[in-house]
Amino acid sequence: EAQVTQNPRYLITVTGKKLTVTCSQNMNHEYMSWYRQDPGLGLRQIYYSMNVEVTDKGDVPEGYKVSRKEKRNFPLILESPSPNQTSLYFCASRLQGAREQYFGPGTRLTVT
Amino acid sequence: DQQVKQNSPSLSVQEGRISILNCDYTNSMFDYFLWYKKYPAEGPTFLISISSIKDKNEDGRFTVFLNKSAKHLSLHIVPSQPGDSAVYFCAAIGAYSGAGSYQLTFGKGTKLSVIP
Repeated sequence: EAQVTQNPRYLITVTGKKLTVTCSQNMNHEYMSWYRQDPGLGLRQIYYSMNVEVTDKGDVPEGYKVSRKEKRNFPLILESPSPNQTSLYFCASRLQGAREQYFGPGTRLTVT
Repeated sequence: DQQVKQNSPSLSVQEGRISILNCDYTNSMFDYFLWYKKYPAEGPTFLISISSIKDKNEDGRFTVFLNKSAKHLSLHIVPSQPGDSAVYFCAAIGAYSGAGSYQLTFGKGTKLSVIP
């Protein structure tokens, strides 16, 4: 089944404790991206990657890191999480040149 | 500056009636528009799209209309069903950059409730 998977689905952590949210897709998509969804703000892009070893900032990159060492994986790293990063995070992927993105199920992160 | 606006945070419609969800945009470089549907605890799923060279695209019960001069698009759902209750996001893509870098800009979403 073609899909985008994210782990964990739910995470509660404390301020400053480094964490990684994994994202993996099995569709051989070149393009992957991370979004966060907040009440009243919709979906905002954090980082995106056009292909392996090619990443760039989205609209709200502060406090996040990403890496793209393999085509199928695009982890989101929070080196020192803060409460304002409490949010619902979505990973997405698509083929290069395609317009429709496929989203993962989401990761709900709470930073206390 | 919000480039894609969904001014109605919520909408309630009776089952069987028409649901109309609206979206406005400000960037004249947007040339492709998509609607995504999102259920609680799930990721957004693609619903329907329209290119700027068209003014209408239809897929079953779902029709998207585009008015370029007004920078306005709308999603019509006829007839509405309780299973359509979800958050609907409007999204826009700018002109193709040549590097495959289609970047989606999303609206804030409209929560549709279809009442049985």
